[in-house]
Amino acid sequence: DIQMTQSPSTLSASVGDRVTITCRASQSISSWLAWYQQKPGKAPKLLIYKASSLESGVPSRFSGSGSGTEFTLTISSLQPDDFATYYCQQYNSYSRALTFGGGTKVEIK
Amino acid sequence: EVQLVESGGGLVQPGGSLRLSCAASGFTFSSYWMSWVRQAPGKGLEWVANIKQDGSEKYYVDSVKGRFTISRDNAKNSLYLQMNSLRAEDTAVYYCARPIFAAQYQDYYGMDVWGQGTTVTVSS
Repeated sequence: DIQMTQSPSTLSASVGDRVTITCRASQSISSWLAWYQQKPGKAPKLLIYKASSLESGVPSRFSGSGSGTEFTLTISSLQPDDFATYYCQQYNSYSRALTFGGGTKVEIK
Repeated sequence: EVQLVESGGGLVQPGGSLRLSCAASGFTFSSYWMSWVRQAPGKGLEWVANIKQDGSEKYYVDSVKGRFTISRDNAKNSLYLQMNSLRAEDTAVYYCARPIFAAQYQDYYGMDVWGQGTTVTVSS
């Protein structure tokens, strides 16, 4: 099974900061990677799909990059509404399985 | 409005069974794969199962294989998760979600619609 490792697990930042979260796969997953934002008590929200495509309605300060085994989610200028937990998710077309990373909590510094 | 609404959660003893339901509205349910995703208290997200549009293909995470069964009724716009032989580690909020696949299940574009979740507690 492919393992997804997110780092850091917790990140303290201030409004206006540039924030980068990394997700590493234990083997190549091409570009079948998605990023989600989750706030306490709420369902996850899709931000990025296919590693770098912005979901409709998501602010352009969010961006994704990478392919193969290393991927990043960047928030160009952190806003108050962005304090949340972020998850990456990979799709393995051979095993037909989906796997989430462990999550990164973005906290107020 | 595109919407998924889960129901059926509750308290069940270890070894017991529970059936979750997810009612879909606002989109052509029969045209989409569907998924169940769970989140244990204070933990991260875990994909549980996927089912193809016509129910002919089903995939599960290893930890639930042989115990959980995903199914759907396209006439009722409903998704189900039958959970048997429940264990304490199955305690979680269970979400139904709509994954977007293309090209004969080779391409994946994320889960774009989620329900609000239903809570399952396995405890004696």
